[in-house]
Amino acid sequence: AQSVTQLDSQVPVFEEAPVELRCNYSSSVSVYLFWYVQYPNQGLQLLLKYLSGSTLVKGINGFEAEFNKSQTSFHLRKPSVHISDTAEYFCAAMTGTASKLTFGTGTRLQVTL
Amino acid sequence: NAGVTQTPKFRILKIGQSMTLQCTQDMNHNYMYWYRQDPGMGLKLIYYSVGAGITDKGEVPNGYNVSRSTTEDFPLRLELAAPSQTSVYFCASIRTSGGMNEQFFGPGTRLTVL
Repeated sequence: AQSVTQLDSQVPVFEEAPVELRCNYSSSVSVYLFWYVQYPNQGLQLLLKYLSGSTLVKGINGFEAEFNKSQTSFHLRKPSVHISDTAEYFCAAMTGTASKLTFGTGTRLQVTL
Repeated sequence: NAGVTQTPKFRILKIGQSMTLQCTQDMNHNYMYWYRQDPGMGLKLIYYSVGAGITDKGEVPNGYNVSRSTTEDFPLRLELAAPSQTSVYFCASIRTSGGMNEQFFGPGTRLTVL
């Protein structure tokens, strides 16, 4: 069965500092990978996705992620964070069966001055 | 397009009551999903549907029922509400043709069972 692991439940960071949110997946078959962001009391918004091709994926709000098949990782990065990036971030994997998503437990990014 | 809409936004139920959470999408998506989100647990799949008249269980289906009579609507039914069903519920949809591989999410329904 597919599983997604986000090792860091919370990541505190100062504004304008770089950040990396880690995500590892387990799958022996082809998988699509996603990062979603959830602002307080809101739904999920897609940040970026990896389907195939280039392993470096760029998304909205200056975020990017790198797909690493050998390490089964899909870490999210931003070179300089802003206060408005404070939110919950979810990594998710989609396998072929009915395009179902398996989510990680989420990482709370807290940006402070 | 309104995208994926959910009603109600908030609801408080007493133990043993029943209710239906509504979900509608206007994007002509064929697949639809219901998830629940509990603190620190991420989202868990409750039920999904690959088309009108076709539904199947997800990871946590106990205590819930669904139906899909039209492409647009995918209601989630709680028959006998229990405190363990206190959660935030999200509906999502996806169109599987044309290379679309992104699930679109509704704004959620926050349910409390007392």
